[in-house]
Amino acid sequence: AQRVTQPEKLLSVFKGAPVELKCNYSYSGSPELFWYVQYSRQRLQLLLRHISRESIKGFTADLNKGETSFHLKKPFAQEEDSAMYYCALSVERSQGNLIFGKGTKLSVKP
Amino acid sequence: GAVVSQHPSWVICKSGTSVKIECRSLDFQATTMFWYRQFPKQSLMLMATSNEGSKATYEQGVEKDKFLINHASLTLSTLTVTSAHPEDSSFYICSATETSYNEQFFGPGTRLTVL
Repeated sequence: AQRVTQPEKLLSVFKGAPVELKCNYSYSGSPELFWYVQYSRQRLQLLLRHISRESIKGFTADLNKGETSFHLKKPFAQEEDSAMYYCALSVERSQGNLIFGKGTKLSVKP
Repeated sequence: GAVVSQHPSWVICKSGTSVKIECRSLDFQATTMFWYRQFPKQSLMLMATSNEGSKATYEQGVEKDKFLINHASLTLSTLTVTSAHPEDSSFYICSATETSYNEQFFGPGTRLTVL
């Protein structure tokens, strides 16, 4: 069965520290992975997707098929990065259904 | 960017009544819309996928007779919670996409409280 696992419910770091939010997936096909972010009192929005291989707001994520992981990283966290982060898996090549992880709340302290 | 709205943003109703939630794509034609449910401090759970002009596809465990979904136009999908009960209280979120997009755009969500 398809599944997305985010092992950390809460991640707390100080400003300027590196951040890594973990995401592992389970899917026998060819995965398409996304990171969504939800800032306080705002709607869910796409942060980045693996196929575009882009860096958004300093965040990057590399798909590691061997480890079935798609960890989100940022070398220097900022206070404005504090938010809820969801890793999501699409099981179809097109927009398809998204399977979400349970989310990790990132708290960046001054 | 693509904008999705939901109405109402929150609703309180009595047990046994029905509640309709609207999801609209404001600046694009949504060929597919998705409905999610989110419990407090939990992740989004996909309830159903709807394509314009056809019946919705429900996820396993979601009662299609209780959660009626209509996607009558390319800009509007509605979710009707019929005979609502307190356990239906939740945050309902819709998303929408268009065939050429490779991204879902999310609405702000609707908070339903059933007394």
